[in-house]
Amino acid sequence: DGGITQSPKYLFRKEGQNVTLSCEQNLNHDAMYWYRQDPGQGLRLIYYSQIVNDFQKGDIAEGYSVSREKKESFPLTVTSAQKNPTAFYLCASSMVANYGYTFGSGTRLTVV
Amino acid sequence: GQQLNQSPQSMFIQEGEDVSMNCTSSSIFNTWLWYKQDPGEGPVLLIALYKAGELTSNGRLTAQFGITRKDSFLNISASIPSDVGIYFCAGHNNNDMRFGAGTRLTVKP
Repeated sequence: DGGITQSPKYLFRKEGQNVTLSCEQNLNHDAMYWYRQDPGQGLRLIYYSQIVNDFQKGDIAEGYSVSREKKESFPLTVTSAQKNPTAFYLCASSMVANYGYTFGSGTRLTVV
Repeated sequence: GQQLNQSPQSMFIQEGEDVSMNCTSSSIFNTWLWYKQDPGEGPVLLIALYKAGELTSNGRLTAQFGITRKDSFLNISASIPSDVGIYFCAGHNNNDMRFGAGTRLTVKP
């Protein structure tokens, strides 16, 4: 079955370390997105990509980096520059100009 | 960026009751969507609305795209325990999707 897979489900990071969250989709979707979710807040866009080898900053890109070397994959790196990285991270994909995003099941990152 | 105001923030209802939640914006959107998120999971699309004034149903769920294009509501009829979760509205314009803060629904058996 087609879908979007995020891994790992839970991730613990020490302060000062970079960590990479994986997102893979086999839906043949062109566009992929990374959102951050904090309690009581809506989803905030970190980065998005509409085509391989191209990506754009969202509203809260500082302290994050991404790559889009393959259509199926859109990994997110949370760098040590991100001052408050503890959050639930959601990856999504869609066909360009299709508004029905498909979300992964999320990665909960905790800084210890 | 554009902000969506979603209300209420939370609701506690009895099984069998109807539920209504809404979303407003200071800006217009071309598309309104409603998602449901179960605990520890990603949101799942419930209903998408593409035209001002459109009223769409999906089982016990009904949603409307406001005439002004600045608001939308979602109704759930005859709630059941599995309706528990967080419901998000989203507005979409030109590759820009904005989400409300969510309505947390609790259904008491």
